Amino acid sequence: DVKVTQSSRYLVKRTGEKVFLECVQDMDHENMFWYRQDPGLGLRLIYFSYDVKMKEKGDIPEGYSVSREKKERFSLILESASTNQTSMYLCASSLSHYYGYTFGSGTRLTVV
Amino acid sequence: AQSVSQHNHHVILSEAASLELGCNYSYGGTVNLFWYVQYPGQHLQLLLKYFSGDPLVKGIKGFEAEFIKSKFSFNLRKPSVQWSDTAEYFCAVNAIDSSASKIIFGSGTRLSIRP
Repeated sequence: DVKVTQSSRYLVKRTGEKVFLECVQDMDHENMFWYRQDPGLGLRLIYFSYDVKMKEKGDIPEGYSVSREKKERFSLILESASTNQTSMYLCASSLSHYYGYTFGSGTRLTVV
Repeated sequence: AQSVSQHNHHVILSEAASLELGCNYSYGGTVNLFWYVQYPGQHLQLLLKYFSGDPLVKGIKGFEAEFIKSKFSFNLRKPSVQWSDTAEYFCAVNAIDSSASKIIFGSGTRLSIRP
């Protein structure tokens, strides 16, 4: 089975801090995605990547950036954390959209 | 751009009741459709998916969904729910002939089952 591992389950950061959320997948998938999940809003796409060093903006990229230096790793960066970025962050990977996505367990980030 | 609507935000049922969760999408072209489930404290899992062929798709745990192209719908059904079906359910669509292939999710439906 594909495994998508997010480095932290819970994080608490202060406003203004730079925050790194790490995601690693072990099945050589080319496609990787970052979503945030908020009650009543479902999953909203932040950024995605189809290949190493490639990135595409999703629906809500403001305040975020990403890095994909290696195929298996896709990092989400909050340049200057704000309280409205308190959320559950989900990483996913896929071989192809035909197969759907495999999700990580999520990182619950609280910005105080 | 494609979008997905789940009109039921919270559904409460008793055990053994039948379930139908609505999902409508907006996109005029060819789509792949998915239902994901998130049990309390767990990660999102794929429940079932539709790519082509038979519009009635069967998934895990007795769930099924029917793709009705004329109605742009992909409703999820289960004839008899169990307490263990308590979870949040997300419908998702991928427009496979759009310029950027990505899956768009609905806002989710929380299902609560009374024992």
